[in-house]
Amino acid sequence: QLQLQESGPGLVKPSETLSLTCTVSGGPINTINYYWGWIRQPPGKGLEWIGNIHFSGTTSYKSSLKSRVTISVDTSKNQFSLKVTSVSAADTALYYCVRQGAAWRAMDYWGQGSLVTVSS
Amino acid sequence: QSALTQPPSASGSPGESVTISCTGTSGDVGGYNSVSWYQQHPGKAPKLIIYEVSKRPSGVSDRFSGSKSGNTASLTVSGLQAEDEADYYCSSYAGSNSFVFGTGTEVTVL
Repeated sequence: QLQLQESGPGLVKPSETLSLTCTVSGGPINTINYYWGWIRQPPGKGLEWIGNIHFSGTTSYKSSLKSRVTISVDTSKNQFSLKVTSVSAADTALYYCVRQGAAWRAMDYWGQGSLVTVSS
Repeated sequence: QSALTQPPSASGSPGESVTISCTGTSGDVGGYNSVSWYQQHPGKAPKLIIYEVSKRPSGVSDRFSGSKSGNTASLTVSGLQAEDEADYYCSSYAGSNSFVFGTGTEVTVL
């Protein structure tokens, strides 16, 4: 059974960089059929797609976040990561890592989520 | 990449049906047959219940069904049960391997 687990600091200061890692277990990350992505949900609000990556290194990002977001992959560790620079309180959210089908374009596996609070 | 529009809330009595709409544009919902729906219970991660407009993943109840007409997709929950009380989100492919989510709908079982 595939499992995704987010990890990283729960508290980040304004203007600093948010960094999260998603560890995938129960299956390889280097499969041509899937992308690996990040989605966030501010407290009490809806879901926001951030971006995704293929094990080959191909990335896509939400246009409004593109200047601040980087997603990378480490196939040797079966992990992928998210970095968001110059964070503000608006970046406070529950961050989910997900698996997304390349062909059928839906997120079928989700991590449990990692709450990141931006505060001084 | 503006959020897709969903009604904030919907409700129905046990056994009834409820339908949730998801309105986008020709650049997302209307342009691709890649609409998916997610169910989220409080404190839980979202769960995929519909993909490619109307397909159900293995293990998802056939009480959930999806459809699309033009720029609007719909999710119907038939035979409402107490366990269906949750938030529901639509999502659509929006080109260039990007996605957009709906604003979310809170379903209440009366």
